[in-house]
Amino acid sequence: QKEVEQDPGPLSVPEGAIVSLNCTYSNSAFQYFMWYRQYSRKGPELLMYTYSSGNKEDGRFTAQVDKSSKYISLFIRDSQPSDSATYLCAMEPGGQGAQKLVFGQGTRLTINP
Amino acid sequence: KAGVTQTPRYLIKTRGQQVTLSCSPISGHRSVSWYQQTPGQGLQFLFEYFSETQRNKGNFPGRFSGRQFSNSRSEMNVSTLELGDSALYLCASSSDRGYQPQHFGDGTRLSIL
Repeated sequence: QKEVEQDPGPLSVPEGAIVSLNCTYSNSAFQYFMWYRQYSRKGPELLMYTYSSGNKEDGRFTAQVDKSSKYISLFIRDSQPSDSATYLCAMEPGGQGAQKLVFGQGTRLTINP
Repeated sequence: KAGVTQTPRYLIKTRGQQVTLSCSPISGHRSVSWYQQTPGQGLQFLFEYFSETQRNKGNFPGRFSGRQFSNSRSEMNVSTLELGDSALYLCASSSDRGYQPQHFGDGTRLSIL
């Protein structure tokens, strides 16, 4: 079983829809949770990161972490065709000398105009 | 501020050869990590360097090695290339001031014939 599980999709929704992307994990030592967006032929771009449990909002994006359930989510409001990309969740324990991200498989998202 | 720069962007090699990939981190970042991305395995951590020392290592064979220079630039080397080494190799850098998330370059696409 992988440490981080993410539904690979593909996920296709109409423009303007609310998108929900999710990951589950098994390692209770994870403290830092990231969402990256990756366009074709590009590297992952950091969207948001959160520490421990809670919510964080940045424009149309909201990240949620529930450590008790080992479950994280990314919500995209008013989705745009430019949001079409692969979304990767990533996490790590943090602390000194712990720059070692564990990634989910990525969810391929398409927003249809 | 310039992002993470990786060179070359594309590389074609044959089995048995060796290859060296280069990464220039964001200015001021002293931690550099390397990841391998394949369709089957996703993004997997290779190793991390900080102040010219390898601080973390993933589960890859000894054919994969790296180093970091005093200006924080890093190189990774793969010897005796195998067909399965075909992948996108990504470099990420982060600041060491408290916890800071990693920022990725656009990678080097390595194809083994």
